[in-house]
Amino acid sequence: AQTVTQSQPEMSVQEAETVTLSCTYDTSENNYYLFWYKQPPSRQMILVIRQEAYKQQNATENRFSVNFQKAAKSFSLKISDSQLGDTAMYFCAFMNLGAGNTPLVFGKGTRLSVIA
Amino acid sequence: EAGVAQSPRYKIIEKRQSVAFWCNPISGHATLYWYQQILGQGPKLLIQFQNNGVVDDSQLPKDRFSAERLKGVDSTLKIQPAKLEDSAVYLCASSTRQGLGEQYFGPGTRLTVT
Repeated sequence: AQTVTQSQPEMSVQEAETVTLSCTYDTSENNYYLFWYKQPPSRQMILVIRQEAYKQQNATENRFSVNFQKAAKSFSLKISDSQLGDTAMYFCAFMNLGAGNTPLVFGKGTRLSVIA
Repeated sequence: EAGVAQSPRYKIIEKRQSVAFWCNPISGHATLYWYQQILGQGPKLLIQFQNNGVVDDSQLPKDRFSAERLKGVDSTLKIQPAKLEDSAVYLCASSTRQGLGEQYFGPGTRLTVT
């Protein structure tokens, strides 16, 4: 079974600064996706960024980028130029690329506060 | 495109009562998931449907929880009888594109059992 660990329950960052959220995972699978989801107080889970395990290049989406270290089973999220709207819970999630769609396995989350 | 719809948004019941949640996935999404998110934790899968068939219900407490997805579209999750530990947010998600990942989540239903 896969597990996802987020070791930082809470973090804070000053507006316009950069912050990195950590995630490690454990799996014996070779083909999988990794995700970062954002969950603001409204509870709507929103996809931030996705990384395919077979790709060596780290994914980027505007101010969001990841550092994917497959051998170390590490998948951190970097948020540049932090904005007040980035305040939310951030969840790291794993999806095995089995036959057909498979469910997400989530970490416990990191609560990020962006301070003005 | 309309997103995943869920109702109600909030529900408060007493223990041993029953409750039902409704989910309408994005049109055309064959796969539907119900997740339970207890306060301070990440969501955990309860059940996964592919069209109107169950793919995975290994984490569903079947003595009290049931779910159905008639006609492969809307889905209903029921709890009967509820326990205090069922207090959580119940998230519905849907996806398409076989094996390629992105799940679209609804706003969730917050259940409080007193």
